[in-house]
Amino acid sequence: GENVEQHPSTLSVQEGDSAVIKCTYSDSASNYFPWYKQELGKRPQLIIDIRSNVGEKKDQRIAVTLNKTAKHFSLHITETQPEDSAVYFCAASYSGWYGQNFVFGPGTRLSVLP
Amino acid sequence: EAQVTQNPRYLITVTGKKLTVTCSQNMNHEYMSWYRQDPGLGLRQIYYSMNVEVTDKGDVPEGYKVSRKEKRNFPLILESPSPNQTSLYFCASSLRDRGPGANVLTFGAGSRLTVL
Repeated sequence: GENVEQHPSTLSVQEGDSAVIKCTYSDSASNYFPWYKQELGKRPQLIIDIRSNVGEKKDQRIAVTLNKTAKHFSLHITETQPEDSAVYFCAASYSGWYGQNFVFGPGTRLSVLP
Repeated sequence: EAQVTQNPRYLITVTGKKLTVTCSQNMNHEYMSWYRQDPGLGLRQIYYSMNVEVTDKGDVPEGYKVSRKEKRNFPLILESPSPNQTSLYFCASSLRDRGPGANVLTFGAGSRLTVL
């Protein structure tokens, strides 16, 4: 089955700096790669996603890149702000007619220091 | 308001006492799923459902049951809970088809379960 690794497990950056979180997946059939942000005591919420037919996607300060050949994808946050502090989860998913499973990485705790 | 509702939010129970965690969504989503969240392990999928009467195992289904008799409801059943099922549980739903919003999981607020 699918296996998703995520690095680093913790990341501290100064406010205004960039943060990069990297994930690798094992199943080449996976075709959907979302990123979720979970603030302390809250539910996970989608911040950005990318499908396998796209190499890069950007939404304001957040971008995701996908390398299907190497089976890895990354989250880039620029100009970090204290409210970006949270745990971030990547996931790999295969969406097909017979099912859709989501496999999440173990998470990265991002701390943005003022 | 579009939402996924889970109940109970907090529960302390004892080993072997059957319990059900309910999950309901009002977005007419076809896909519903259950996850457990444990420190250092992220979110692990327990079961998912592609539509009414269609369910399948995720990565950690042992000790759990589900049913999908109605589109809006997807209860998680622990027939004989054990301490290793102490965890934070999330229900989530999404649209299945391609297009805006497809596959985007909307999570419930979570249910913290403690099994003594």
